[in-house]
Formats: sequence, C-alpha cells, structure tokens
Amino acid sequence: AQTVTQSQPEMSVQEAETVTLSCTYDTSESNYYLFWYKQPPSRQMILVIRQEAYKQQNATENRFSVNFQKAAKSFSLKISDSQLGDTAMYFCAFLPQGAQKLVFGQGTRLTINP
Amino acid sequence: DTGVSQDPRHKITKRGQNVTFRCDPISEHNRLYWYRQTLGQGPEFLTYFQNEAQLEKSRLLSDRFSAERPKGSFSTLEIQRTEQGDSAMYLCASSLTGISNTEAFFGQGTRLTVV
Repeated sequence: AQTVTQSQPEMSVQEAETVTLSCTYDTSESNYYLFWYKQPPSRQMILVIRQEAYKQQNATENRFSVNFQKAAKSFSLKISDSQLGDTAMYFCAFLPQGAQKLVFGQGTRLTINP
Repeated sequence: DTGVSQDPRHKITKRGQNVTFRCDPISEHNRLYWYRQTLGQGPEFLTYFQNEAQLEKSRLLSDRFSAERPKGSFSTLEIQRTEQGDSAMYLCASSLTGISNTEAFFGQGTRLTVV
C-alpha cells in the first residue's frame, strides 16, 4: 500500500519570503503521479501543481515549484514570494498510474504573516 | 457557480439516525469521487463512479454506507445508524476523465457531527 508523509504539521513565514513544504512517499510502483493541493479555510480544495513520475523536469506553476527526487521518494513544494492568500492547509497526494484513488498526506498548515 | 456543489454544508444528527448528503458535480464530468476527512488528517478515499457505475469502494465504506449516482449526474451518500466515529467532513470531487489525465475539482464538503 502506498503511504504519503508530511512531516511538518505547521509552518509560518513572513509575507514575501520563500517557504518549502516537505513530502515523502512510499510505493513500489514505477509510474505514478504526485500532486499538491491547497485547502484554504472554509473553502474547497484546489490543485496547485502536479508531477508525472516519468518526467525528470520539475513542474512549475508561477510562484509554485516542486523538487521531485524519485530515488529518494521525495516531493517538496516551494512557494516563492509568499502572499497572504497562500495561507491554507497544503496536502501532498499520490496517484498510481491507472488508479483513481488519491492517497493524501496528513497536511501542513501554512500561515503567511503580514 | 459552475463548480462542484455539496448539500448540506453542515449536518448535526443524533447517534443512530440516518443521514443523506448530495453532490452535484460539474455537468460534463463523468467521474465522481467521495472522500472523508477527519480533523487534522488528509482526505481518505471512499468510493468513485464512472457515469452511473460505482467502480471502486474503500474498506472504509462499511455496510452502513451507501452511495449512488442515478443517471450519472448527481450523487448521494447515505449513512445509516450513524455513530460518533462518522463525524467528519465528507468531500465530493469530479473530473472529466481519469484524474491521471485531468484535474479533480472538489466541493466545499459536508461537515457531519454526530452527537
């Protein structure tokens, strides 16, 4: 069974700083997908970024980028120039190829302070 | 609003009562998913539908739980004889095709409190 671990329950940074959220996963699959989801307070979860395991290049979406280390089974999220609106729970999620069941980590509560 | 809609947003029920939640996916999406999220945890998969067919169910979905998606449009999740351990946020999501190819869009969830 796949597991996803987020070792940082909470993080807090000042606005405009860069922050990195950690995620590790355990799987015997060779082909899979990884995701970071954002869940703002009282709002729905939205997709931040996704990475296909067969792609060596790290995914980037504007201020959000990942550091995907397949051998180490690590998938961290970097948020540059953090903004107040980035305050949210962030979940790392794993999806084996061909499956429809996302496996989520426990989440990291990120607070951006003014 | 053309996103995923869930109703009700909050439900308080007494232990032993039955509850039913509704999810309206994005209209053209043929995949629909149910997840459960307890406090301080990430969402856990319950079940998913492709059109009206329920294709996978988690072991978390005990025989007190039943989900339906008649006509492949909206879906309902019913919990019979609720227990305090059923207290959680129930999330619905939908996607156009498989989520390895397309994004899954989540609703705001139904928060269930069993007293």
